[in-house]
Amino acid sequence: DIQMTQSPSSLSASVGDRVNITCRASQSISNYLNWYQQKPGKAPELLIYTTSSLQFGDPSRFSGSGSGTDFTLTINSLQPEDFATYYCQQSFSTPRTFGQGTKVEIK
Amino acid sequence: QVQLQQSGPGLVKPSETLSLTCTVSGGSISGYYWSWIRQPPGKGLEWIGYIYNSGSANYNPSLRSRLTMSVDASKMQFSLRLTSVTAADTAVYYCARDEVMTPLHHAFDMWGQGTMVTVSS
Repeated sequence: DIQMTQSPSSLSASVGDRVNITCRASQSISNYLNWYQQKPGKAPELLIYTTSSLQFGDPSRFSGSGSGTDFTLTINSLQPEDFATYYCQQSFSTPRTFGQGTKVEIK
Repeated sequence: QVQLQQSGPGLVKPSETLSLTCTVSGGSISGYYWSWIRQPPGKGLEWIGYIYNSGSANYNPSLRSRLTMSVDASKMQFSLRLTSVTAADTAVYYCARDEVMTPLHHAFDMWGQGTMVTVSS
């Protein structure tokens, strides 16, 4: 199985901050990397697919980058509704695997 | 707008079988992959497996021996059966559409509301 490791596990930030979340794969996954946002008590929602493609309807302050084993989710100008847990997920091979999550909290 | 509606019991006894169904509305069930994903309380996400509308399936090896997925296109439903459950199977279970976003690139773009399943006597 491909192991996905996110860092940090949690972070505190203020509204308006720029936030970076890193995801590392245990082997190269090319650009087969997706990001999800999950709010408490809700199902995850697709945010970015294929490393850098923004899902329809999602705000442009979210962006993704990377290739191979190292990937980054960037949130520019953090908004109150962005406080949530973010998960990366590889679709390079089965079993599909997720990172352990990064919780973004209000400072 | 495609919607996924989950149904099934929230309490299952140890050693018994967990069964959940996901009903697709507002779109087609054909031509898509459909996945199940679970999340133990306070923990991360685990992919359980997917089924294609033809009936072919791909299961997580960690659960394969206990797992069966099926699809009933006439009812616009797909289902999960997990046998011999233990407390370790306690989780929120989600159904999701496993969409081909770009050629060969899959992502879970639509999700059900989630079902909390507790394994307890």
